[in-house]
Amino acid sequence: DTGVSQNPRHKITKRGQNVTFRCDPISEHNRLYWYRQTLGQGPEFLTYFQNEAQLEKSRLLSDRFSAERPKGSFSTLEIQRTEQGDSAMYLCASSGQGNNQPQHFGDGTRLSIL
Amino acid sequence: AQKVTQAQTEISVVEKEDVTLDCVYETRDTTYYLFWYKQPPSGELVFLIRRNSFDEQNEISGRYSWNFQKSTSSFNFTITASQVVDSAVYFCALSEGDTGRRALTFGSGTRLQVQP
Repeated sequence: DTGVSQNPRHKITKRGQNVTFRCDPISEHNRLYWYRQTLGQGPEFLTYFQNEAQLEKSRLLSDRFSAERPKGSFSTLEIQRTEQGDSAMYLCASSGQGNNQPQHFGDGTRLSIL
Repeated sequence: AQKVTQAQTEISVVEKEDVTLDCVYETRDTTYYLFWYKQPPSGELVFLIRRNSFDEQNEISGRYSWNFQKSTSSFNFTITASQVVDSAVYFCALSEGDTGRRALTFGSGTRLQVQP
């Protein structure tokens, strides 16, 4: 049973560039979540998918951010025109169907904006 | 709006000491779920335990125990006979159940350092 997989582990880019991250959830999980974590803080929710439907988006998800899960399996998170404030760890999680099911997290993608 | 408060920013103990991590939550929902996660230096968030709002039974798992009290909106976590491998940041989190929201709201975490 493989866990949640995220790629790349690290991404360094110049301000203004676009970046895309990928998340592969646990295979039997139909729910997928994206969070952002900055140093010394707890993760902050960004968005949530049930199968391919994006059901919930945080106000943190500005119009420069877009997430997709086209076939209800893997998901991508794209950030356009990156800014210094986008530097953070981006975490993906997945869970089963029940409302009380725990979310299982990947190792994250650390984004550094130069 | 929901909120999770972990007032202890950092705790340092010596190996074999018992330590309790505090968590206080706020929610208007009658059904909700509470979680504890561990984030070791390697960075991955590891799920430890879940509690439903309608189940106030405390739980013990090895050296770990959890005390859920709805009357004080608290969900505290105790590690007995701490070990160096327990050193990590611990997060308490809340998920509300009355609406369709599935987001976890995390506290700011408590960094536990266990000295040998």
